[in-house]
Amino acid sequence: ELKVEQNPLFLSMQEGKNYTIYCNYSTTSDRLYWYRQDPGKSLESLFVLLSNGAVKQEGRLMASLDTKARLSTLHITAAVHDLSATYFCAVVRADGLTFGKGTHLIIQP
Amino acid sequence: EPEVTQTPSHQVTQMGQEVILRCVPISNHLYFYWYRQILGQKVEFLVSFYNNEISEKSEIFDDQFSVERPDGSNFTLKIRSTKLEDSAMYFCASSFRPQSGELFFGEGSRLTVL
Repeated sequence: ELKVEQNPLFLSMQEGKNYTIYCNYSTTSDRLYWYRQDPGKSLESLFVLLSNGAVKQEGRLMASLDTKARLSTLHITAAVHDLSATYFCAVVRADGLTFGKGTHLIIQP
Repeated sequence: EPEVTQTPSHQVTQMGQEVILRCVPISNHLYFYWYRQILGQKVEFLVSFYNNEISEKSEIFDDQFSVERPDGSNFTLKIRSTKLEDSAMYFCASSFRPQSGELFFGEGSRLTVL
């Protein structure tokens, strides 16, 4: 059974700081997704990582994938309040995605 | 920009009633999915659908659930006899080619079972 674990599950940080969210998964996969969810809203696709060593950046967010270690990271640089949300990683499981529990991120001024 | 649309946005129903949630995937997409999210919890895979048949389903997707693509544009999730624990947000998603691309999610349908 594929397990996807994120940590931390809850993170409160100050604006301007850097931090990394980790996503570990238990079985081989070469595709990993990061999504953002605002309260009561749908899932917004942030990154699709398709191969070992993939790195993608969008604004203050950067995601990477190490398929050998079964690890993906989502790095936040110089956080701003607008990035407050819940971030999910999701790993391919046959045709469907298995999601982590999510990291609830609060960025305080 | 094309998007996945879902209706209704919120439905309240009595336990034991049948519910149909509707989705219009992005028009050139070939793969369709339903996911659910119980309040405050993670998103869980229910079912995937390709070429007019279910390609995979999770253990959550029991005999009370069914999916259909009745007319080439809509993709529906039916819950035959709702239970309290079916209360959740149900997300529809679609993809053109999941092997190399994104899954696009709809805004969700919130189901409340009383």
